[in-house]
Amino acid sequence: EIVLTQSPGTLSLSPGERATLSCRASQSVSSSYLAWYQQKPGQAPRLLIYGASSRATGIPDRFSGSGSGTDFTLTISRLEPEDFAVYYCQQYGSSPPALTFGGGTKVEIK
Amino acid sequence: QITLKESGPTLVKPTQTLTLTCTFSGFSLSTSGVGVGWIRQPPGKALEWLALIYWNDDKRYSPSLKSRLTITKDTSKNQVVLTMTNMDPVDTATYYCAHLRISAEAFDIWGQGTMVTVSS
Repeated sequence: EIVLTQSPGTLSLSPGERATLSCRASQSVSSSYLAWYQQKPGQAPRLLIYGASSRATGIPDRFSGSGSGTDFTLTISRLEPEDFAVYYCQQYGSSPPALTFGGGTKVEIK
Repeated sequence: QITLKESGPTLVKPTQTLTLTCTFSGFSLSTSGVGVGWIRQPPGKALEWLALIYWNDDKRYSPSLKSRLTITKDTSKNQVVLTMTNMDPVDTATYYCAHLRISAEAFDIWGQGTMVTVSS
């Protein structure tokens, strides 16, 4: 089973700054099956990025995803007040067929 | 517009079986290329995937919980049911169902979640 490790655990930044979040897999992941979610307190997660780099419907272009193999990155170009939240990466692997989430990165206001 | 809503008990006793229902609208689980999954989140902790069911009745389970989980669908009622046996206090969590974007195997629409507490 593939394990996803997200870093850092917490990112303290100010509005307007750039955020770079990392997701590292224990073995190679198909880029087609790497996604990123945002979760705010008391809310369900929201899909931001799928296929490693495709933005989901309605997601602002300040959010971008990149990477391949075992290393993936979510970048928020300029943090808006509403972007302070927890972010999770997720992958789907076929052998065995299973889906896993990373442990999350909290982006907090500095 | 796709919506999903979870329902079930808020409190179960240790060793009991949990049955959760996901009632959805805006899509049909009899349509090719559709899937629904269950995900849980203990208080203050990360998301954990539990199970998936596809339009063709193909099913996937978390390897660590496979022996305790069963996922089924009722296409006539637009429902997906998850059962989890032998509940333990560590299973206390918010349980979400979500619509699967098949081409990406990612969850694009989520229910609001339902909190389940396991306690005697």
